[in-house]
Amino acid sequence: DVKVTQSSRYLVKRTGEKVFLECVQDMDHENMFWYRQDPGLGLRLIYFSYDVKMKEKGDIPEGYSVSREKKERFSLILESASTNQTSMYLCASSSQFPLAGADTQYFGPGTRLTVL
Amino acid sequence: QQPVQSPQAVILREGEDAVINCSSSKALYSVHWYRQKHGEAPVFLMILLKGGEQKGHDKISASFNEKKQQSSLYLTASQLSYSGTYFCGTEGLGAGGTSYGKLTFGQGTILTVHP
Repeated sequence: DVKVTQSSRYLVKRTGEKVFLECVQDMDHENMFWYRQDPGLGLRLIYFSYDVKMKEKGDIPEGYSVSREKKERFSLILESASTNQTSMYLCASSSQFPLAGADTQYFGPGTRLTVL
Repeated sequence: QQPVQSPQAVILREGEDAVINCSSSKALYSVHWYRQKHGEAPVFLMILLKGGEQKGHDKISASFNEKKQQSSLYLTASQLSYSGTYFCGTEGLGAGGTSYGKLTFGQGTILTVHP
């Protein structure tokens, strides 16, 4: 089974702090994604990466950056946390070369971040 | 642009059926359906690829109408375990032949099944 883990389930930070959210997958997937989930808005893509050191902006990248130094690890960074970044953050991964011709994304359990 | 899901919420009694729709304004390569229970990660249900296919999984099935850029999820004889939020994720036809598996998710449909 694919396993995607995230460093924390719950996190409380103060406005202005630098926040790191870590995600690790164990399936040798090329693609990794960061989403935030807010009620009524569904999952919105922040950034994704299709290879080590490669990254692409998603739909809502403002206020965030990412890092992918190793294939299995994808980090989301909030440079200066603000209260409007209070949300559930979900990481996902998928294969770029699926055996069956199509693959889906596998999600981690999420990190609920509260910025005070 | 996010696909639009309808309805936003549906309440059922055990044994009743439901249909959840997902509509996109863009040409699609695939549609992915997920279910998320409160406090848990979204769980994959099924993928539908362009070509207008239909798939089934136990009493949950789905169709994909490529021309209309729509997909529907059918839940028949609902069970209590079906309760949760259902999301469709759409994959567009990327330039250069790949979208890197990037999905755009709808806002979700909350399904509640009562005894």
